[in-house]
Amino acid sequence: DAGVIQSPRHEVTEMGQEVTLRCKPISGHNSLFWYRQTMMRGLELLIYFNNNVPIDDSGMPEDRFSAKMPNASFSTLKIQPSEPRDSAVYFCASKTDRGYNEQFFGPGTRLTVL
Amino acid sequence: EDQVTQSPEALRLQEGESSSLNCSYTVSGLRGLFWYRQDPGKGPEFLFTLYSAGEEKEKERLKATLTKKESFLHITAPKPEDSATYLCAVQPGGSYIPTFGRGTSLIVHP
Repeated sequence: DAGVIQSPRHEVTEMGQEVTLRCKPISGHNSLFWYRQTMMRGLELLIYFNNNVPIDDSGMPEDRFSAKMPNASFSTLKIQPSEPRDSAVYFCASKTDRGYNEQFFGPGTRLTVL
Repeated sequence: EDQVTQSPEALRLQEGESSSLNCSYTVSGLRGLFWYRQDPGKGPEFLFTLYSAGEEKEKERLKATLTKKESFLHITAPKPEDSATYLCAVQPGGSYIPTFGRGTSLIVHP
């Protein structure tokens, strides 16, 4: 299994531009999580999907952030318009929901907003 | 509110110098406690899951233990390749969303 796949791995953009991050979860996993990691705040949950449905989006910082999961093998996190304070590493993770088990993380997307 | 506190924030060891990392937690109905390892520029990598007080798990030089209030990650005779950030996460009952600690950054000098 290729594991969780994220793209792009690095993104540099200018303030005000739209940014789209992509994630392909592990096949057969029906839970998907988007996280943001910074030195100041650590690992923060942004949104959690189960069976392609958003269950908890309380961590989405504001309306500039949106996430979709159109099918079981693809999810996007969009920031529009982007701001310098959005600079961080964004991780996608997936897991099965059979019991209380571990998450599998992707390699992350390092976003820099100038 | 569920809380996870890891200590110390950073730890420097000499190769072969054993030590322990701590993860203290308050959670409603613990269903699982997870340890992850994160190398620079990579995503967290799963190490262990502990489900009940008294449980222990081992992997190479690492041993994780769990009580009702905290978990320890013991590192025996560490090597430089054990250098990484170690994250702890707790899974509350009735939720599939874990709460993560801030991590302990471990550096092992040769």
